[in-house]
Amino acid sequence: EPEVTQTPSHQVTQMGQEVILRCVPISNHLYFYWYRQILGQKVEFLVSFYNNEISEKSEIFDDQFSVERPDGSNFTLKIRSTKLEDSAMYFCASSTGTVYYGYTFGSGTRLTVV
Amino acid sequence: SQQGEEDPQALSIQEGENATMNCSYKTSINNLQWYRQNSGRGLVHLILIRSNEREKHSGRLRVTLDTSKKSSSLLITASRAADTASYFCATDAEAAGNKLTFGGGTRVLVKP
Repeated sequence: EPEVTQTPSHQVTQMGQEVILRCVPISNHLYFYWYRQILGQKVEFLVSFYNNEISEKSEIFDDQFSVERPDGSNFTLKIRSTKLEDSAMYFCASSTGTVYYGYTFGSGTRLTVV
Repeated sequence: SQQGEEDPQALSIQEGENATMNCSYKTSINNLQWYRQNSGRGLVHLILIRSNEREKHSGRLRVTLDTSKKSSSLLITASRAADTASYFCATDAEAAGNKLTFGGGTRVLVKP
């Protein structure tokens, strides 16, 4: 069964550093998403991406964050100048575009900012 | 407003028993989905129910949706130790665009 692949599975970074989280969505999917889950809290929407541009973003997704689809397969989330409160599990997801079929989520990247 | 609140927050049952968890939401939705998350792992899509559907089955899973009460339930029948996980409901709504709003989840422990 097709999978969404995320790398790395765990990243530790120093506060103030930049990190790039990588995702390979399912090849025939058209919509891509980033969600995050702070430990013990709800999964929160960050951003959706379609047709090479952001289609929607949450209040969390401020200028510290950016997304890119640099080639035909990768979808990246960049977090600049990381803060302690950015520590969370970050999930990438992709979908065909109709929510009826659900999303496919990756297994996540656990980001720890120290 | 909070969308997608599950209860109970935690549930402990014996293998073979049924597990029922509920999800309530506040605004009109297009669809409601249930996901499972094993500890520290990704989200696995279990089942989606449309706003015009009332009940759906998938294997040992049964989902109901009551739009008048803005609530849904997930029933896992004949539970197994492998069903131990957190279960989340997630809604999407016309007003919220093409994104999911998750509830806080129910942690289910199935004891062998």
